[in-house]
Amino acid sequence: DTAVSQTPKYLVTQMGNDKSIKCEQNLGHDTMYWYKQDSKKFLKIMFSYNNKELIINETVPNRFSPKSPDKAHLNLHINSLELGDSAVYFCASSQSPWKLPTNEKLFFGSGTQLSVL
Amino acid sequence: SQQGEEDPQALSIQEGENATMNCSYKTSINNLQWYRQNSGRGLVHLILIRSNEREKHSGRLRVTLDTSKKSSSLLITASRAADTASYFCATEIQGAQKLVFGQGTRLTINP
Repeated sequence: DTAVSQTPKYLVTQMGNDKSIKCEQNLGHDTMYWYKQDSKKFLKIMFSYNNKELIINETVPNRFSPKSPDKAHLNLHINSLELGDSAVYFCASSQSPWKLPTNEKLFFGSGTQLSVL
Repeated sequence: SQQGEEDPQALSIQEGENATMNCSYKTSINNLQWYRQNSGRGLVHLILIRSNEREKHSGRLRVTLDTSKKSSSLLITASRAADTASYFCATEIQGAQKLVFGQGTRLTINP
């Protein structure tokens, strides 16, 4: 009954490769997010989608491209991987259509640890 | 520097003691939330306090919010070994469509 699931859990790859991380939520939520957690545990938002529409693109390099085929899925594709992309990537979701203030809590997946060699 | 900053960065206490973690932020907020992250896992929501609230309780958790000082504290009473985790504060910034996280406090409960 995993609410927010992302795959794979671990991803080890060479510099220059292209990789994808998939995320799915079965909570019926309208909004989904990608966060990046660096080695110092700092968690930073990358993207958010509301019902398949891009809401936030937080100055992320063009090599990162999110894709939302439907509101239950938000995948992250990364081109030409670099050493600095090594981090843990978290998918998350929240319930309501995005309006302010939301006072919504986020539900997180268990993370994808990406290691670029 | 970041919107949310936790203090201390690491805290180690004995089981049964109380643990207090602090969070400071810079801009006006709609709400402030606390999350827990166990090692190798995703974040789990603990409690949300709105900008017009000053204190909130949930089980052994007590959160305070002082908007004049732009700070919040999370108190965990009667700590247990299972409370060992990293604790993050997150702020929903007014006018911004995002939740901004701090760097977390790593809490270790020693048996």
